[in-house]
Amino acid sequence: KAGVTQTPRYLIKTRGQQVTLSCSPISGHRSVSWYQQTPGQGLQFLFEYFSETQRNKGNFPGRFSGRQFSNSRSEMNVSTLELGDSALYLCASSFHGDRVYEQYFGPGTRLTVT
Amino acid sequence: GEDVEQSLFLSVREGDSSVINCTYTDSSSTYLYWYKQEPGAGLQLLTYIFSNMDMKQDQRLTVLLNKKDKHLSLRIADTQTGDSAIYFCAERGGSGNTGKLIFGQGTTLQVKP
Repeated sequence: KAGVTQTPRYLIKTRGQQVTLSCSPISGHRSVSWYQQTPGQGLQFLFEYFSETQRNKGNFPGRFSGRQFSNSRSEMNVSTLELGDSALYLCASSFHGDRVYEQYFGPGTRLTVT
Repeated sequence: GEDVEQSLFLSVREGDSSVINCTYTDSSSTYLYWYKQEPGAGLQLLTYIFSNMDMKQDQRLTVLLNKKDKHLSLRIADTQTGDSAIYFCAERGGSGNTGKLIFGQGTTLQVKP
């Protein structure tokens, strides 16, 4: 079974631009979560989607948004990019209904804002 | 509140045991997890433990949970150079059926040959 895939793997953007990152979960997984990883703040939860609905949201400004499609694929968008948005963005999928909630992570998208 | 703390660095010799420690604050956490991250990669789920368990063993990995002290540890037996990585502990945050994980800062494990 294929793992979680994220595209693109690397991205360079300029301050003020916007960016869209994509995540395809493991087949059969309906829950997708997004995390931001930076050297200073570590791993921080952005949001979680299930059945096209945002179920949980972390403490990030409104410039960060996401959505989930009917095939469980998810996208996250960051508008008006700031230098501090440079990070590794990780997506994780899990099988809803599994009480253990094992989350499987993709390789991440490395975003650099200049 | 929800907070997870880990020591930042551990160095061991190949063949020794490694013990990575973690403390958490949310006493309502039901599951606690250990993840491994190698350079340039995402996170790999290593193992997890349910909060009503004291210990879980999975091949070379042993997880110990002291719920009273909110202390979690991961022991890696016969540590190999391939175990060099950053190890994160995480608790499941929020209430109800949520996939939100609260991670520690990560412990860098250095294995010397």
